Amino acid sequence: QQQVKQSPQSLIVQKGGISIINCAYENTAFDYFPWYQQFPGKGPALLIAIRPDVSEKKEGRFTISFNKSAKQFSLHIMDSQPGDSATYFCAAEDSNYQLIWGAGTKLIIKP
Amino acid sequence: NAGVTQTPKFQVLKTGQSMTLQCAQDMNHNSMYWYRQDPGMGLRLIYYSASEGTTDKGEVPNGYNVSRLNKREFSLRLESAAPSQTSVYFCASSLTGTAYEQYFGPGTRLTVT
Repeated sequence: QQQVKQSPQSLIVQKGGISIINCAYENTAFDYFPWYQQFPGKGPALLIAIRPDVSEKKEGRFTISFNKSAKQFSLHIMDSQPGDSATYFCAAEDSNYQLIWGAGTKLIIKP
Repeated sequence: NAGVTQTPKFQVLKTGQSMTLQCAQDMNHNSMYWYRQDPGMGLRLIYYSASEGTTDKGEVPNGYNVSRLNKREFSLRLESAAPSQTSVYFCASSLTGTAYEQYFGPGTRLTVT
C-alpha cells in the first residue's frame, strides 16, 4: 500500500506564528499533492494543491513547499490565527485518480 | 446549490443490523467516493465510482456494498453491522481527472453497539 506519512500529529502555535506541517511520500508516480482543512463536525475542504513540477505555491497566508528529490512537501501557515485551528490532511493523487491520505495534524493556535 | 449532501447525520445500530447511507451531489460530477474516518488514521477509501454505472473497491471494502443509482446519487450499505464499523463516513465527489479536488459532504457519525 502506497503511503503518505504526515507529521506532527498535533501542533500548538502562538497567534501570529508560523505553522509548519510536513509530509513524505514513497511513490514517484503521484500527480497532485493537495492539502485539506477540516473543522470539527465538518467534512474536509480543499485548501491548496501543487503539481510535482512546481516547487512552491502560495495562496494568501498558505504556502506549499515541494521537494521532489526528497519526496517531501510541507504546508506553511504564516501569521497563524485562532480561526486556523483545525485538522490538516496532506494527500497525493495517484495514477488511478485516487487520493492517498496522510493521518492528519491537529493544529491549535493559541490567542 | 447544496454541494454534497448525506443522510442521516447520526445513526446508532445494533450488531447485525443493516442500513444504507445516502449521498447526493448537484455539481454534475462524474466521480464519487465513500470514505471512513477513524481517529489517527486519516481517511480510508471504501469504494469509489468513476462514472455512472461503475464502482470499484478501495482500501477497506469488506463489510460494505455500494450502488451508483445515477449520476447524482451514490449509496453505501452495511449488510450486517459490526462494532468495527463504528466510524464517521464521508461521501465526496469530483470532476473526472481531478481527484485531488474532492468536495465532501458533512458526514454520518455511525455507532455500532
